[in-house]
Amino acid sequence: GENVEQHPSTLSVQEGDSAVIKCTYSDSASNYFPWYKQELGKRPQLIIDIRSNVGEKKDQRIAVTLNKTAKHFSLHITETQPEDSAVYFCAASNGNQFYFGTGTSLTVIP
Amino acid sequence: GAVVSQHPSRVICKSGTSVKIECRSLDFQATTMFWYRQFPKKSLMLMATSNEGSKATYEQGVEKDKFLINHASLTLSTLTVTSAHPEDSSFYICSARDRAGGPTDTQYFGPGTRLTVL
Repeated sequence: GENVEQHPSTLSVQEGDSAVIKCTYSDSASNYFPWYKQELGKRPQLIIDIRSNVGEKKDQRIAVTLNKTAKHFSLHITETQPEDSAVYFCAASNGNQFYFGTGTSLTVIP
Repeated sequence: GAVVSQHPSRVICKSGTSVKIECRSLDFQATTMFWYRQFPKKSLMLMATSNEGSKATYEQGVEKDKFLINHASLTLSTLTVTSAHPEDSSFYICSARDRAGGPTDTQYFGPGTRLTVL
């Protein structure tokens, strides 16, 4: 089955700096890669996603890049704000099941 | 946007009893619902995939006789934790995939159910 690895597990950045979270996957059939933000005790919320026919996608301060050959994808958050503090999960899907990464706890220091 | 509800949000039960958790898609039809388990500060662990009108597909290591899943309609799936024990205490989250329109892979998550088994 699919194996998704995520790094780092924790990340602290100063407000205004950028944050980068990386994920790798093992199943070449995976073709959809969403990123979720989960605040404490709440449900995961989709923040951005990318499909395998695209190399990069951007939505305001958030961007995701995908390297299919290397089987890795990354989340980039620019101009971080304290409200960006949360746990972020990457996921990989082949159209059937979703497999999540282990999560990154991001803390943005004011 | 698509809304998924879960009930109850929190439940405390005695060891040996069974607990049923409901997952509903409120404004869309979900051909597929997923059940996840999440331990504190840990990732979401997929337990099973539930398709309307058919048996659920369980992930390796998940006991199908302990975690009974029923997906009787396009808007409702239930997870029953049978003969619950303290080690079953966890945060259970469901998600649903929209049947019509939009990216077919998009999952919408319920708010989760905190189960505590005494």
